[in-house]
Amino acid sequence: QTVVTQEPSFSVSPGGTVTLTCGLNSGSVSTSYYPSWYQQTPGQAPRTLIYSTNTRSSGVPDRFSGSILGNKAALTITGAQADDESDYYCVLYMGSGNVVFGGGTKLTVL
Amino acid sequence: EVQLLESGGVLVQPGESLRLSCAASGLTFSSYAMNWVRQAPGKGLEWVSAISGSGGTTYYADSVKGRFTISRDNSKNTLYLQMNSLRAEDTAVYYCAKGPRPTTITPLDPWGQGTLVTVSS
Repeated sequence: QTVVTQEPSFSVSPGGTVTLTCGLNSGSVSTSYYPSWYQQTPGQAPRTLIYSTNTRSSGVPDRFSGSILGNKAALTITGAQADDESDYYCVLYMGSGNVVFGGGTKLTVL
Repeated sequence: EVQLLESGGVLVQPGESLRLSCAASGLTFSSYAMNWVRQAPGKGLEWVSAISGSGGTTYYADSVKGRFTISRDNSKNTLYLQMNSLRAEDTAVYYCAKGPRPTTITPLDPWGQGTLVTVSS
């Protein structure tokens, strides 16, 4: 069974930089899995941040960036702001209609 | 602007059935695959099902395979999720989300606001 791993929680200071990662329980994450990232604040629907590893969705500030770091997908927030405090989910497309969400990372900005 | 509006979420008893709808506007509906994603209370997001733009191809998570059926009516710009044999663990907010092309199901963008399904006796 495919398990997509994310840090359960992370903390960053206002103005700081944080990198959240997205891994696989077996194997490495590559661009072939079309990693995408979503931001969700409590009570709200998710918002698409990044797709196809590193393409920002329309309207997403350029302080959000995606990449592959080592064997994981990564979401980097540069110059964190208070309203970046949210849950962040990565999604991998495993092929043949198999879409897998990571467990999410709760980001605290303080 | 693409808008997705889910409806149909209610309180049902275990074993009962329910059909969710997702009304789409601001797009050529048949040109896009569509997805259902759910979120149990206090939990993370879980992909449930997807359907191609024509409706000819469907995909399901193992957790719902054989119990849920995804469908669409392109003449009504509406996506459906028929849920049978509901269990307590199906309790969640159900979101619909659009894919980027008719046969490509991710990324999911945009998302609707969700509809709450509660399965409880």
